[in-house]
Amino acid sequence: GAVVSQHPSRVICKSGTSVKIECRSLDFQATTMFWYRQFPKQSLMLMATSNEGSKATYEQGVEKDKFLINHASLTLSTLTVTSAHPEDSSFYICSAERTQAGARSYEQYFGPGTRLTVT
Amino acid sequence: RKEVEQDPGPFNVPEGATVAFNCTYSNSASQSFFWYRQDCRKEPKLLMSVYSSGNEDGRFTAQLNRASQYISLLIRDSKLSDSATYLCVVNNGGANNLFFGTGTRLTVIP
Repeated sequence: GAVVSQHPSRVICKSGTSVKIECRSLDFQATTMFWYRQFPKQSLMLMATSNEGSKATYEQGVEKDKFLINHASLTLSTLTVTSAHPEDSSFYICSAERTQAGARSYEQYFGPGTRLTVT
Repeated sequence: RKEVEQDPGPFNVPEGATVAFNCTYSNSASQSFFWYRQDCRKEPKLLMSVYSSGNEDGRFTAQLNRASQYISLLIRDSKLSDSATYLCVVNNGGANNLFFGTGTRLTVIP
């Protein structure tokens, strides 16, 4: 159990275009999902917390108008990188927190990641 | 001071060896603790949660020391497949997010 999928796994796009990444919890419901990015040989950096039915909470320094997050259902969150630039090239990983008996577990299960390259 | 600190390694150990990693956290209000493993260019995968009483899962043992604010992971009888980066992860009590250590790289040598 606790499987999270992410699509696409790899995307190459031109500078100025937008890219949408989907994150789905396949066998559990997730009120809360998270979006991270990771640069080579660095730790995960939390970008935003996605809450079903409400606005996402962004970490300091992350532009909400550039990284649009939508959490439309208990199993799907999307991240759209708008007007992408080469410096946005990174590994983007989502995670979903499994709720246990109505309480938070804080256990996060990660999707396989999306490698974005902006040319 | 970083929320979570780990020795980055690398740890190179022979097959069958026992290896231990420590991780310290700065916020005494932290309530949840985890060890994740991450293979190269892959996503982190939950290895085990760390409970106050300590817990064991096969060859893996995790312990929490609240007084000294550190958690540990012990791997016995190392296998080649244990080679990965091990991430110490701490929930900052009451917050939504987790804080990740930079990871400890383990390589098990034949």
